[in-house]
This record gives sequence, C-alpha cells and structure tokens, in this order.
Amino acid sequence: LAKTTQPISMDSYEGQEVNITCSHNNIATNDYITWYQQFPSQGPRFIIQGYKTKVTNEVASLFIPADRKSSTLSLPRVSLSDTAVYYCLPAGSARQLTFGSGTQLTVLP
Amino acid sequence: KAGVTQTPRYLIKTRGQQVTLSCSPISGHRSVSWYQQTPGQGLQFLFEYFSETQRNKGNFPGRFSGRQFSNSRSEMNVSTLELGDSALYLCASSLGQEGGEQFFGPGTRLTVL
Repeated sequence: LAKTTQPISMDSYEGQEVNITCSHNNIATNDYITWYQQFPSQGPRFIIQGYKTKVTNEVASLFIPADRKSSTLSLPRVSLSDTAVYYCLPAGSARQLTFGSGTQLTVLP
Repeated sequence: KAGVTQTPRYLIKTRGQQVTLSCSPISGHRSVSWYQQTPGQGLQFLFEYFSETQRNKGNFPGRFSGRQFSNSRSEMNVSTLELGDSALYLCASSLGQEGGEQFFGPGTRLTVL
C-alpha cells in the first residue's frame, strides 16, 4: 500500500484559499487519490477524488501532476467550519482505506 | 436517504468483558468496513464484509471479529477487552467497488476501565 506524507498542521484565516499538499511516491497505477475530512468525534467524510490533472466539485479542487507522486487539495475561501483533519489516501485495488496522520487545518477568525 | 447508523454511541466496559457493536449501512450498500481510531495509532482498518463474507482483514488480534447479515447490517465483537481497546470504532459502508467512496457512521466511543 502506498505511503502518504502530509504536513501535520496548517493555520489559515477566514476567506483565504488553503492548499494542502500530499506526497505519495509509490502510488499504484490503478490507485485514485482521495481526500477525506474529519471533524472531532465524527467519522471521516469524502471530499474529492481524482486520478490525474484537475478535478473540481462544489467544495474543493484537486490538482494532480503528471507523475502522480503528489496531489494538492485546494479549499477556496475557507471558513471557521472548515477546521478539521484532512486525510489524503490512495484508493484503488485495496478496498480498505489506509489513513495516514492527516493534516490538522485550523481556520482563524 | 438515511446515513450509516451505529449503536450504541457510547459504551463503558471493564477489562476482560466482551462487547458487540452494531452498524446499519446505507440502503443498497453491500460492503461494510470497520475502523479503530485512537489518538496514538490514528485510523486503522479492522476488516471489511461484503455479502456476508469477510473480504479484507487488517492486522488486529483474533479478539476482534465481525459478521454481516443478509440485510447487510454488521456487528463487530471484541472479546477479553483490554485497556488499549478504548477507542472510537467507526463503521463505513459502500457499494463495494474498488476505490469507491466510503460513507462513515458517527462511531461508537468505547471506554475500557
């Protein structure tokens, strides 16, 4: 299973764009890159998933370079309610999700 | 569509006891996975059931077991509880395809005294 590396924590201010980068050097060819968000005492929630280039949905964008060894989650104009832990994980042939340490994002007023 | 439900939400047990946790997946989902979350180890995969069969298993001792019923509801059992089993136990359901989105329940907070 591919190992991921993310910053342990990040701080931002309300209204700013936040970019969280994750490295996954040994990602498998058929793995998608998936991001989950988790609030305290709740289960993780799916945010976005992509294979390559750029994917955008109503809450975030995901940028994946051609070599797929990293990915960047972009959250536009964050608010206090975006304070959470964000996990990057490959999801492909292995049906279980392998969570790393995640990135604690704290949005300040 | 109702989300994943887990019961009970909170549980307190003592060492040596056993416990059974329940998970009801989203209607139509046939895969149920269980995860353990602790401050020290993070989120760790326990096992996955699909159509009443265990399809994947993580690195947990045999004290941790599970099963799935014909209606896709799943139970997880932990026998001979240890202090280190105190954790948030999360259940996730999905359609069961590779790499598919998993929908998590709110979890069961187990405290072992």
